[in-house]
Amino acid sequence: RKEVEQDPGPFNVPEGATVAFNCTYSNSASQSFFWYRQDCRKEPKLLMSVYSSGNEDGRFTAQLNRASQYISLLIRDSKLSDSATYLCVVNTDKLIFGTGTRLQVFP
Amino acid sequence: EAQVTQNPRYLITVTGKKLTVTCSQNMNHEYMSWYRQDPGLGLRQIYYSMNVEVTDKGDVPEGYKVSRKEKRNFPLILESPSPNQTSLYFCASSLPTGGTDTQYFGPGTRLTVL
Repeated sequence: RKEVEQDPGPFNVPEGATVAFNCTYSNSASQSFFWYRQDCRKEPKLLMSVYSSGNEDGRFTAQLNRASQYISLLIRDSKLSDSATYLCVVNTDKLIFGTGTRLQVFP
Repeated sequence: EAQVTQNPRYLITVTGKKLTVTCSQNMNHEYMSWYRQDPGLGLRQIYYSMNVEVTDKGDVPEGYKVSRKEKRNFPLILESPSPNQTSLYFCASSLPTGGTDTQYFGPGTRLTVL
């Protein structure tokens, strides 16, 4: 079993839709969690950290479920510019990157 | 502007010809690392450095060398490249805690080994 697993997608959604991605991790001792965004052929950039209480940044909401060992990312009111690959990242004394979920928002 | 730079951005080479990919950051970060990204495998860490003259192996160090003589620079060296090292390489830097701080990535180096 992979340490961090994500559905590779692609998720094809129309503008304005709400879309959610999940990510599962295998190590219950994992300490911190992040979502990174990666545009095609570009470097990953931090989108948001994920806190136990859940956190929101504009249209983006991240949640952590330690009992079930998954984190989620919810994007509301999708924009064309949200099209990218979203990487789930888990810190278990080192950073483990998921392979990413690709999102394509169409007009 | 705070950034991580890598050179070259694109490189096509032949098996066995030594090459160096440079990485430089201007944020005074202690922690630097190299990753490779391959389809279906995600980002995998090659080497990392907690500070000057301190380097450690990541998950996939075979075939690579690094050095950290200055805080800002962290070059990746392939002494004898092979086709299985064809990949997209990213350098990253962050504050000392490494794992819990934001990783700032360079723009990437796309390497093809023939």
